[in-house]
Amino acid sequence: DAGVIQSPRHEVTEMGQEVTLRCKPISGHNSLFWYRQTMMRGLELLIYFNNNVPIDDSGMPEDRFSAKMPNASFSTLKIQPSEPRDSAVYFCASSLAGQGNYEQYFGPGTRLTVT
Amino acid sequence: AQKVTQAQTEISVVEKEDVTLDCVYETRDTTYYLFWYKQPPSGELVFLIRRNSFDEQNEISGRYSWNFQKSTSSFNFTITASQVVDSAVYFCALKGMKTSYDKVIFGPGTSLSVIP
Repeated sequence: DAGVIQSPRHEVTEMGQEVTLRCKPISGHNSLFWYRQTMMRGLELLIYFNNNVPIDDSGMPEDRFSAKMPNASFSTLKIQPSEPRDSAVYFCASSLAGQGNYEQYFGPGTRLTVT
Repeated sequence: AQKVTQAQTEISVVEKEDVTLDCVYETRDTTYYLFWYKQPPSGELVFLIRRNSFDEQNEISGRYSWNFQKSTSSFNFTITASQVVDSAVYFCALKGMKTSYDKVIFGPGTSLSVIP
């Protein structure tokens, strides 16, 4: 079975450029999460969706960040314009919420470097 | 407020030693879930186990075992006869059961190094 798929795996961009990260959740899962991981701040939840609807975006750092989930099998996280402090590993995770199944399955992550 | 504490930032053991990773949580919820995840050097977080707060039975899976004690708000993870492949960062996490929308709260992680 395919796990969570993220692309690209690595992204190097210059400050001010737009960055789009992509995620395909596990088929049948109804919740999708975007996390950011840095040495300084650890694992931070940015936003999560349930049935394609954003439920909580309180973790989104600022207006430069936006996320969409146009359908159950695809989500994007966009940063525009990017800044060096956005450099981190961004993880997408999915879960089948409900009936006690709340464990999240993570993708391999996208390592973003903004120079 | 919910919180997960993993007081051990880094642990180093020699191969074949047993090691216990501590996890202490805070929550006002009476029912909740607890999780452990492993993040090997490759970077991907791997789900290990989920426990419900109303089930305090300890669990064993091969060399892994988990000790859940509600009285002390702890959910510790023991690796028996550690191996080099166990080297990773391990995260403990907590999720309330009030609604499906309760967020999962991750601890800061414990970095385990198993030395051959």
